[in-house]
Amino acid sequence: EVQLVESGGGLVKPGGSLRLSCAASGFTFSNAWMSWVRQAPGKGLEWVGRIKSKVEGVTTDYAAPVKGRFTISRDDSKNMLYLQMNSLKTEDTAVYYCTTESGDGAFDIWGQGTMVTVSS
Amino acid sequence: QSALTQEASVSGTVGQKVTLSCTGNSNDIGNYGVGWYQQNSHGAPKTVMFANSLPSGIPDRFSGSKSGTTASLTISGLQPEDEADYYCSTWDYSLSAWVFGGGTKLTVL
Repeated sequence: EVQLVESGGGLVKPGGSLRLSCAASGFTFSNAWMSWVRQAPGKGLEWVGRIKSKVEGVTTDYAAPVKGRFTISRDDSKNMLYLQMNSLKTEDTAVYYCTTESGDGAFDIWGQGTMVTVSS
Repeated sequence: QSALTQEASVSGTVGQKVTLSCTGNSNDIGNYGVGWYQQNSHGAPKTVMFANSLPSGIPDRFSGSKSGTTASLTISGLQPEDEADYYCSTWDYSLSAWVFGGGTKLTVL
């Protein structure tokens, strides 16, 4: 079964750090371009960033609001995707989803999400 | 403010055909395909349309199209289970970022 399972969410104080993980199964993870997408409470979807496959140089792109604070990485040997979040702000409070890029102009597989709350 | 513009809400009756729109510009929709996602309350998004094809398991009453800088998702034969929020997305080469629409709340009357 094709699946993405996020973990690592929780409550963190402003200025703090948190690392999210996403476990992939049922497809060839090493070939996949992976993204993180977030959704603040009551709001729409917002792209956070992505990491390309090893063949594409494992290059990353980030949305402006998180650039310089968030880092995406991957471990193809473990089929794992990570999101390291530093200098967290209250506006980073959201459900964070990992997702695959389909190659046909859209995201494809979605995880169930993990909640991150940034509050003092 | 979202990069792509969608209607805030659309409604239709069971069996009706409805069309949701997604408007961008030459930096995004004008040059890239558009994906569509369905999200029920408290759930994760589900992809209901790739740029050029229907994902496996999605009924063929869902269809997508694009003209210039506007994309559309059409649902023919609306069903009660289609009631959800729908989001569009595409790549923006000027931002080097994926962008989303603000979402359309579809109500099935």
